Amino acid sequence: QVQLQESGPGLVKPSQTLSLTCTVSGGSIGSGGSYWSWIRQQPGKGLEWIGYIHHSGNTYYNASLKSLVTISMDASKNQFSLTLTSVTAADTAVYFCARLYGDCFDFWGQGTLVTVSS
Amino acid sequence: EIVLTQSPATLSLSPGERATLSCRASQSVSISLAWYQQKPGQAPRLLIYDASNRATGIPARFSGSGSGTDFTLTISRLEPEDFAVYYCQQRTNWLAFGGGTKVEIK
Repeated sequence: QVQLQESGPGLVKPSQTLSLTCTVSGGSIGSGGSYWSWIRQQPGKGLEWIGYIHHSGNTYYNASLKSLVTISMDASKNQFSLTLTSVTAADTAVYFCARLYGDCFDFWGQGTLVTVSS
Repeated sequence: EIVLTQSPATLSLSPGERATLSCRASQSVSISLAWYQQKPGQAPRLLIYDASNRATGIPARFSGSGSGTDFTLTISRLEPEDFAVYYCQQRTNWLAFGGGTKVEIK
């Protein structure tokens, strides 16, 4: 059973950079067929796909966030990470990491709340 | 960009009743559609993939149907634990979620 766990600061100042890490256990992020993903949910809102990374290193981003987002991976630690630059209050959200397998997200982390505030 | 529109936004039903949730795509996604359930404070849980296949461990009262642009999630008899928000999701053209349907207790 694959498990994912998000970690990172819960508070980020406006205009600064948000950085989160997802640690995967029970499976290798280097395995074929899986895309390691970030999704967020603003308070009281729906789900927004941010992007994902393949074990090959190829990345795919939501066009609306592409200029601000970087997803990277460290296979040796079985982790992948999200960086979101120049954050504003609108980036306050619960951030989930998840595994995309086929066309759906089958395993999710519990989510971590990031608040953007001075 | 494919937009997914879910309806209704809120569904008020009693336990034991049948729930029918709709997801409409702005263009065809073939059968590349998934459904998720989300309860407050929890991550979404995969219910249905490829439009009609139940994920591991999902009770048989959940069923999905449709293809192309029109999809339906049906809960045959609502159990107390089924009151939640449900999202559809496609990956045919980039990736997107629908806005969600809240199933609440009447």
